[in-house]
Amino acid sequence: EVQLQESGPGLVKPSQSLSLTCSVTGYSITSNYWGWIRKFPGNKMEWMGYISYSGSTSYNPSLKSRISITRDTSKNQFFLQLNSVTTEDTATYYCARAGSSFDYWGQGVMVTVSS
Amino acid sequence: DVVMTQTPVSLPVSLGGQASISCRSSQSLVHSNGNTYLHWYLQKPGQSPQLLIYRVSNRFSGVPDRFSGSGSGTDFTLKISRVEPEDLGDYYCLQSTHFPFTFGSGTKLEIK
Repeated sequence: EVQLQESGPGLVKPSQSLSLTCSVTGYSITSNYWGWIRKFPGNKMEWMGYISYSGSTSYNPSLKSRISITRDTSKNQFFLQLNSVTTEDTATYYCARAGSSFDYWGQGVMVTVSS
Repeated sequence: DVVMTQTPVSLPVSLGGQASISCRSSQSLVHSNGNTYLHWYLQKPGQSPQLLIYRVSNRFSGVPDRFSGSGSGTDFTLKISRVEPEDLGDYYCLQSTHFPFTFGSGTKLEIK
């Protein structure tokens, strides 16, 4: 069974970088697409971007200058880095297997941006 | 960006009753390959979203047949029949036809 698990700090200071890891078991990240989605307080959901089986990436233009998604195929992990965060980046961050729909999700990690 | 207008915001239902949620897109969700990438998710309290329906009307593995999806073009509906307590939570539609992918604003299904 495909399982995903996010990890990373729950508190980040404004202007710093947010870095999260998604560890995948039961499926190789060299197949399919792997994405990040976040849910804001108030319940709005936003697709942030994905990395493909080949390592190519696609990002939401609203984040394009701040976001980077990378991977380590030897560990079957992919990563999110979001730079220059503000309080508006406070959200629960999810990783998911993308494909044409997001079919398997991690449990999510809540990240608060605060000084 | 494609705007996904999801209604209603809140949907009180009786257990055993039927619920219907609408999702309308600001442009057609038919991809150039002929597929329509409109999906439905349920987020139960304290859990991550789970896929219910993919590509308009296909139930994901393990999803009961009480859930059904329909629609075309810009107008889509999720129907839940014989509502059970485990169906309560927040429902979202998602389009992945056009970049960037966009979600509806959510519908909270609650007990009347």
